[in-house]
Amino acid sequence: DVKVTQSSRYLVKRTGEKVFLECVQDMDHENMFWYRQDPGLGLRLIYFSYDVKMKEKGDIPEGYSVSREKKERFSLILESASTNQTSMYLCAARSPGDAYEQYFGPGTRLTVT
Amino acid sequence: GENVEQHPSTLSVQEGDSAVIKCTYSDSASNYFPWYKQELGKRPQLIIDIRSNVGEKKDQRIAVTLNKTAKHFSLHITETQPEDSAVYFCAAVYSGGGADGLTFGKGTHLIIQP
Repeated sequence: DVKVTQSSRYLVKRTGEKVFLECVQDMDHENMFWYRQDPGLGLRLIYFSYDVKMKEKGDIPEGYSVSREKKERFSLILESASTNQTSMYLCAARSPGDAYEQYFGPGTRLTVT
Repeated sequence: GENVEQHPSTLSVQEGDSAVIKCTYSDSASNYFPWYKQELGKRPQLIIDIRSNVGEKKDQRIAVTLNKTAKHFSLHITETQPEDSAVYFCAAVYSGGGADGLTFGKGTHLIIQP
């Protein structure tokens, strides 16, 4: 199985701070994703990347940016955190092509005060 | 883009009974439909998936059916057990070799009553 890890399980930040969420996968998969999960809204795609230095916007990219300098690492950046970005953030990785199974990291619970 | 609707949002069944969760999707190009189970405080885990060239797939007590014409798919759990209590998410995507992310339904909280 692919192992996907995230740098923090819980994070508390203040409004206006710059926040970095880190994700690392160990299976050399090209495709990586960032989702946020909110009660009653399910999982929503923020950004994804299909290769180093490549990125694509998902359904809710506003207020976020991403960085992929190495294949195994995909970072989500909140340039200026706001209280409406309080959420659970889940990273995922998969191989392209027909074998679509997507593996999730454990999640980071971010609270912005 | 794709839109996935999931019902019901909460489902309570007696232990041993069957549970059915239904999803509809909007993009007829979608060809891969996974189901994820998320236990409290844990990450979503894939439990079963189906591709558009198949109408039904079964794995022990879990089965998924797909109706491409109507654009809906369902998860069936038979002989439910306490450990089936969790939130279940359906999803859809066109897996054409690109990197598109999954579009998820809003989830169903399944409660198994002893």
